[in-house]
Amino acid sequence: EAQVTQNPRYLITVTGKKLTVTCSQNMNHEYMSWYRQDPGLGLRQIYYSMNVEVTDKGDVPEGYKVSRKEKRNFPLILESPSPNQTSLYFCASSSPTHYEQYFGPGTRLTVT
Amino acid sequence: RKEVEQDPGPFNVPEGATVAFNCTYSNSASQSFFWYRQDCRKEPKLLMSVYSSGNEDGRFTAQLNRASQYISLLIRDSKLSDSATYLCVVNTAGGGADGLTFGKGTHLIIQP
Repeated sequence: EAQVTQNPRYLITVTGKKLTVTCSQNMNHEYMSWYRQDPGLGLRQIYYSMNVEVTDKGDVPEGYKVSRKEKRNFPLILESPSPNQTSLYFCASSSPTHYEQYFGPGTRLTVT
Repeated sequence: RKEVEQDPGPFNVPEGATVAFNCTYSNSASQSFFWYRQDCRKEPKLLMSVYSSGNEDGRFTAQLNRASQYISLLIRDSKLSDSATYLCVVNTAGGGADGLTFGKGTHLIIQP
């Protein structure tokens, strides 16, 4: 089954404790992205990757890092999480010739 | 002016009625347009692409008006299961993950 998986689905953590949210897709897609969704602000892109070892900043990259060492994986790293990073995070993938974005199920992060 | 604007609603519509909502975009160079559906706390999923000539998929019709820079979504014979948030998505670049802009969504509630 074609899918994008994210782990963990829910996470409560404390300020400053490094965390990684994993994202994996099995569709051999070149493009992968991370978004955060907040009430009243909609979906905002954090980082995207157009292929292995190619990453670029989206609209709200501050406080986040990503890596793309393998085509299928695109982890999101919060080196020192802060309460303003409490949000619902979505990973997505797509092919370069087909614009449909396939989203993962989301990760609800709370930073206290 | 915001890049992609939608009326947030909510639109409260009786079951069986027809409902339509629009989305305006500011970049006249935008090339691709989509409607996504998002159920509460779930990931967005592609509902339909919007073609220049307009397109229909069952009870759903999408239209593009380039002159006035808006797209529309019409839902006929609405069902309770149509209750969701509908996201307008515009691609302003050459394609892929780097050029997508999401609207904040229109919340639709179908009432029995």
